Amino acid sequence: DIVMTQSPDSLAVSLGERATINCKSSQSVLYSSNNKNYLAWYQQKPGQPPKLLIYWASTRGSGVPDRFSGSGSGTDFTLTISSLQAEDVAVYYCQQYYITPYTFGQGTKLEIK
Amino acid sequence: EVQLVESGGGLVQPGGSLRISCTASGFTFSSYSMNWVRQAPGKGLEWVSYISSSSSPIYYADSVKGRFTISRDNAKNSLYLQMNSLRAEDTAVYFCARGGVTGRDLAQWGQGTLVTVSS
Repeated sequence: DIVMTQSPDSLAVSLGERATINCKSSQSVLYSSNNKNYLAWYQQKPGQPPKLLIYWASTRGSGVPDRFSGSGSGTDFTLTISSLQAEDVAVYYCQQYYITPYTFGQGTKLEIK
Repeated sequence: EVQLVESGGGLVQPGGSLRISCTASGFTFSSYSMNWVRQAPGKGLEWVSYISSSSSPIYYADSVKGRFTISRDNAKNSLYLQMNSLRAEDTAVYFCARGGVTGRDLAQWGQGTLVTVSS
């Protein structure tokens, strides 16, 4: 199975500042035939189901604010929130869908400093 | 508006069985792959199973293979998870999730149904 490891486990950032979450996969999730990274990011607020933020490692989902961006390729990926808003407090998960089982990272809890 | 509504959760004894359902609306259910994802209390997300729009292929996590069966009824806009030989470690909120643009990302999620396995 592909193991997804996020860092840090928790993060406190001031409002308006940048937040960066990292995700590393135990093997590449880049499919060479289409040059796409099979990596998604989700946001889960307390008491709610997860919400898709990013797919193909860097494509924003429908209605996702442009302060959220994804980058990286192969085994190393980053989710960046350019200017943290109060409503961004949540747990963030990366997930690979390159091969089953479609494994998630352990989650990163983002709080306001 | 896309809606996914899970139902059928509850308390079941170890070794018992339960079938949970997900009813979809607001989109053409038969055109999309579907998944079950679970979340144990206070824990992270665990992908459980995938079913394509036509019911083949189907995939399972190793932790449930041989015990759980995913199925769908496109005429009823419904997704199911038959869970047998339940264990305490299967206790979780079970979410159904619709495939997205890639066919494998989880673009839309239901609110979840809680399954508790305890004596």
